[in-house]
Amino acid sequence: SAVISQKPSRDICQRGTSLTIQCQVDSQVTMMFWYRQQPGQSLTLIATANQGSEATYESGFVIDKFPISRPNLTFSTLTVSNMSPEDSSIYLCSVEGRGSNEKLFFGSGTQLSVL
Amino acid sequence: GENVEQHPSTLSVQEGDSAVIKCTYSDSASNYFPWYKQELGKGPQLIIDIRSNVGEKKDQRIAVTLNKTAKHFSLHITETQPEDSAVYFCAASIGDQFYFGTGTSLTVIP
Repeated sequence: SAVISQKPSRDICQRGTSLTIQCQVDSQVTMMFWYRQQPGQSLTLIATANQGSEATYESGFVIDKFPISRPNLTFSTLTVSNMSPEDSSIYLCSVEGRGSNEKLFFGSGTQLSVL
Repeated sequence: GENVEQHPSTLSVQEGDSAVIKCTYSDSASNYFPWYKQELGKGPQLIIDIRSNVGEKKDQRIAVTLNKTAKHFSLHITETQPEDSAVYFCAASIGDQFYFGTGTSLTVIP
């Protein structure tokens, strides 16, 4: 497995502001993923973050709204820009397991509330 | 693309009873099926998984079964305990793509 540290764990933000979420992994991983989990719902992939290249966004998610950085093989950030109450969700960082690219592991999540 | 359906959405059982959660998938190319447990305020935790070349896998009180022909897989928890109370998600995977079910909120009543 992988140890994934995510921060902040929760935040309450004002409409129109931006929040950057950090994800740190205890080992080098090729691919990191960012998911959104809206209240009471399942997990939706926002984008895949690869080191040295631009993130790949899923349908319905755009770089201007969710810019992602991936400066090295153990760290990534997701920014939620120009927030609105509809952005209130849990945001999860995840990585594939070392030695087993089938297994997906998640960080503890960031609970975001936008007022 | 792949579509994963999960039932039931909520499940309450008495402590010591068994709990079963079922998922179906649509794409026969899916070859890896993990189950996650998510406790309140935490991220999903991988609890058991099964690959398409295996029909059943067990880990203590937890077991997963897979029927490739029918495209469904199930999570079985025996001798449930209050600490099993959580939301459980199934998923189907094709390569790097993971498709999640909508979750089952399990409550174990002491």
